[in-house]
Amino acid sequence: QVQLVQSGAEVKKPGASVKVSCKASGYTFTSYGISWVRQAPGQGLEWMGWISAYNGNTNYAQKLQGRVTMTTDTSTSTAYMELRSLRSDDTAVYYCAREAISWFDPWGQGTLVTVSS
Amino acid sequence: DIQMTQSPSSLSASVGDRVTITCRASQSISSYLNWYQQKPGKAPKLLIYAASSLQSGVPSRFSGSGSGTDFTLTISSLQPEDFATYYCQQSYSTPHSFGQGTKLEIK
Repeated sequence: QVQLVQSGAEVKKPGASVKVSCKASGYTFTSYGISWVRQAPGQGLEWMGWISAYNGNTNYAQKLQGRVTMTTDTSTSTAYMELRSLRSDDTAVYYCAREAISWFDPWGQGTLVTVSS
Repeated sequence: DIQMTQSPSSLSASVGDRVTITCRASQSISSYLNWYQQKPGKAPKLLIYAASSLQSGVPSRFSGSGSGTDFTLTISSLQPEDFATYYCQQSYSTPHSFGQGTKLEIK
């Protein structure tokens, strides 16, 4: 079955970087894009950006431009999201999701990133 | 950027009730509207895509309608497992913004 499995929880200090992985299985990885969405504690969903697993094209949310980089490794069917210069308000659960045409399905299980001094 | 506004923000209902959640876009998004269900501690799950198409495996008591700026998600007869938070999302243009969510609680 189609599945996305994310890396484990992270605790980072302000100013550090974090890199979250998302390993896909059950489908042809290069036929879909991967979107990243985050959810701060008790809050709603925020779209962070998208990467084409076919050619690596990206589209980032403007508020994260310059701090976020999304990449893929087609040899391992894995997508990565790196966020730099972390702040306390980056504390959130980060999700990857397969983007099929224009909807997200399925989603990874989520990765909690905690930014704290 | 397109703003998505859901109403109500929270809703109390009973098993068996018919429930409708609305979502309004700040500009026309044609039918590029998706609905997700999220339970506590879990990832969102796709229910409805392209405004009215039921995702495979989702019970038929869920339905979606609308186009342009106004959309609805209807649950025809609430089941205990339906108590969750529901989000709409537009995929017409980036950023693919979400509504603020509607928390459906047991009355």
